[in-house]
Amino acid sequence: AQSVAQPEDQVNVAEGNPLTVKCTYSVSGNPYLFWYVQYPNRGLQFLLKYITGDNLVKGSYGFEAEFNKSQTSFHLKKPSALVSDSALYFCAVRDMSQGNRDDKIIFGKGTRLHILP
Amino acid sequence: DTGVSQNPRHKITKRGQNVTFRCDPISEHNRLYWYRQTLGQGPEFLTYFQNEAQLEKSRLLSDRFSAERPKGSFSTLEIQRTEQGDSAMYLCASSPLTGGRTEAFFGQGTRLTVV
Repeated sequence: AQSVAQPEDQVNVAEGNPLTVKCTYSVSGNPYLFWYVQYPNRGLQFLLKYITGDNLVKGSYGFEAEFNKSQTSFHLKKPSALVSDSALYFCAVRDMSQGNRDDKIIFGKGTRLHILP
Repeated sequence: DTGVSQNPRHKITKRGQNVTFRCDPISEHNRLYWYRQTLGQGPEFLTYFQNEAQLEKSRLLSDRFSAERPKGSFSTLEIQRTEQGDSAMYLCASSPLTGGRTEAFFGQGTRLTVV
């Protein structure tokens, strides 16, 4: 069964500094990986995804993520943090192995990102 | 895309009552998901559909919970004999089955409060 781990409950970063939010995953087959963001009292918004190809994927609001197959990680990054990036971030995985019928999307517990002015 | 629509947005009910939530997915999205989210936590998988077929229901889910997607379009989630522990945000999401867009698109959720 697929699973996702986000080891940090909260990450604090000063505005203008680079940020990293960590995610590791476990699937038996071929992973599709996603990052979502949730602002207070709002639904989940899709940020970016990895399906195949280049290990570095770019998404909305200047975010990017790096897929590392050997470390089974998909860390979210941004070169220069903004106060408005403060939110709850979720990593998710979908097992898209050919013939696999268990391809539901599973989310991590989330990491609260706090950007300090 | 008109987006995923969930109704009602808020529901307050007394313990022991039944409640039903509705989700209208993005048109032509084959997959429809239901999740439950409590404060500060990640979405917990409840069940999902491919068209009208329910593919899986979480083993953690009580028999009081049932979901349908009768014509492969909208879906309903019913909770019978609600308990205070059912208080949470219930999220619906949809995604296409094929093609490049494999991510799920979420609605705003239905916040359930059981008193």
